[in-house]
Order: sequence, then structure tokens, then C-alpha cells
Amino acid sequence: QKEVEQDPGPLSVPEGAIVSLNCTYSNSAFQYFMWYRQYSRKGPELLMYTYSSGNKEDGRFTAQVDKSSKYISLFIRDSQPSDSATYLCAMSADTGTASKLTFGTGTRLQVTL
Amino acid sequence: DSGVTQTPKHLITATGQRVTLRCSPRSGDLSVYWYQQSLDQGLQFLIQYYNGEERAKGNILERFSAQQFPDLHSELNLSSLELGDSALYFCASSPGLNPTEQFFGPGTRLTVL
Repeated sequence: QKEVEQDPGPLSVPEGAIVSLNCTYSNSAFQYFMWYRQYSRKGPELLMYTYSSGNKEDGRFTAQVDKSSKYISLFIRDSQPSDSATYLCAMSADTGTASKLTFGTGTRLQVTL
Repeated sequence: DSGVTQTPKHLITATGQRVTLRCSPRSGDLSVYWYQQSLDQGLQFLIQYYNGEERAKGNILERFSAQQFPDLHSELNLSSLELGDSALYFCASSPGLNPTEQFFGPGTRLTVL
């Protein structure tokens, strides 16, 4: 079983819809939770991060972490065609000496006009 | 543009050969990370260096090696290449050891024929 599980999709939604992307994980040492967006043939770019549990909002994006359920979510409001990309969750433990990221496999999102 | 540069962009080589991938981190960043992205495995952490010192190792094959030089650029050496080594190789950099500050380069696409 992988440490981080993510539904690969693809997920197709109409423009303006609310999108919910999710990951589950098994390693309780994870303290940092990130969401990356990756356009085709490009490097991943960091969207948001959360430390430990809780919610974080940034414009149309909201990240939620539920450590008791080992479940994280990214919500995208008023989705736009430009949001079409692969979304990767990533996690890291708080070791203080190293900072490797463990990624989910990514969910491919298509926002249609 | 993340500020992380990787060369070459594309590399086509034959089985059994050896290649070197190069990464220049963002100005001022001390940490460099290498990741491999393949269709079946997703984005996998290979190795991390901080100011020239190896800090973390993932599932990096013995045929692969890396180093970080005094000017902080890094090289990933892949030898005795196999068909299964065909993948996108990403370098990321961060100022220190905070896992939420990793910025990815555009990647090197390696094709082994």
C-alpha cells in the first residue's frame, strides 16, 4: 500500500463548478501538507500548504487537513478552464534535518466551457 | 519561471549508457532535491542535498548517484541505463530545510531506447 493515495481521475467539470480533490495517507508522522499544480510537460508549482490540522484559504482555493482521519482536501471555487491541470498532494514529516516530499499520484482535472 | 534551471531538456540514449543531468538552484537556495516522475510510479523522491551534504535518500537505485558542488549546483548521474529508467527527472530547490518551500525546475525528459 502506498503512503499517499490519490484518485487519478480524470475529473471533468463545467466552468464555474466547485471542485473537490482529496488524498488519504497512512504515515502519522506527516505534519506538512502541500498541494501542487502541474501543467502538461511542466514542473509542479506549489499552490498551498498547511502545517498540521486545519483549513487555509487563498483566493478561490481552500485546503483542509483532518489528521484524525488522515485525509486532506483541496477545494477550488468558481473553476476556470485555466485550472485544467494535474493536482498533486504532497506530504512531509517534521524531521528538522531533511525535507523530502511524498507525493500522491495526482488527479487530472479538466474544466470545460 | 521558478528560477530553477535544468539541462538538458531532453535526452535520448541507449540501454547500458551513462548520462548526467544538471541542476542550478534558485539564487540563495542551499537545498537541492531530485525527483523521478514516471507514468506508473508518479513523482518519487530520489535524494536531497543541503549545502553540499547528503541529507535524505529515497528509493534511489545503486546505478544512480548525485552530488552537490561548492557553487551549489547539482548533478544526477544515471548509469547502466535500462528501458525502465525512461522518465521525467525534476530538480527542486529551497532556501533551507522547510519542506513547504520547494520550487521545481522544468525537468529533464530522459528516453532510453
